[in-house]
Amino acid sequence: AQSVTQLDSHVSVSEGTPVLLRCNYSSSYSPSLFWYVQHPNKGLQLLLKYTSAATLVKGINGFEAEFKKSETSFHLTKPSAHMSDAAEYFCVVSLEGYSTLTFGKGTMLLVSP
Amino acid sequence: EPEVTQTPSHQVTQMGQEVILRCVPISNHLYFYWYRQILGQKVEFLVSFYNNEISEKSEIFDDQFSVERPDGSNFTLKIRSTKLEDSAMYFCASAKLDDYEQYFGPGTRLTVT
Repeated sequence: AQSVTQLDSHVSVSEGTPVLLRCNYSSSYSPSLFWYVQHPNKGLQLLLKYTSAATLVKGINGFEAEFKKSETSFHLTKPSAHMSDAAEYFCVVSLEGYSTLTFGKGTMLLVSP
Repeated sequence: EPEVTQTPSHQVTQMGQEVILRCVPISNHLYFYWYRQILGQKVEFLVSFYNNEISEKSEIFDDQFSVERPDGSNFTLKIRSTKLEDSAMYFCASAKLDDYEQYFGPGTRLTVT
């Protein structure tokens, strides 16, 4: 069985300040981990993925995440928030391959000017 | 850039009615999925489909649900007799053979009254 816990339902930052969205996972096997973003009225877009290669993963729009097995964490970071980053972010886990995705509850990122 | 499309964007139906939600996956993708998100809750896996058959389904996907790929391009989710608790956002996703990334559509919001 696998599960994901997103520790914050909402995160508020000012434009230009760093972003940290926290995610912890539980998986019986070596997991694949993803971050998806959902802008209002849009589909889920993949930001980045970890699939047992490098533990520091770079994604689109300046986001990155680090897989830490000892802490069972996969936190998402960005050095400097932009207004367009305001959206809902989902941490997702799956077994390797084409297996189903298990989603966290999501974190709403609010960016103020 | 190719994308997954879903129609309609919003469907309102009365309890007990049948609904069909439609998805057009990306054309060279071979794996297809349905997920749903009840308002305020996690995105949940419903079913995966490969090679014209269901490969995996969740407990949610009971006899009221069925999926079909009727014509080689569409991928449909049918709910035979809708209940109030079927009200949710339904997401379709697809993946290609050599990449585990699932590409999501914008979703169909189903409202059962």
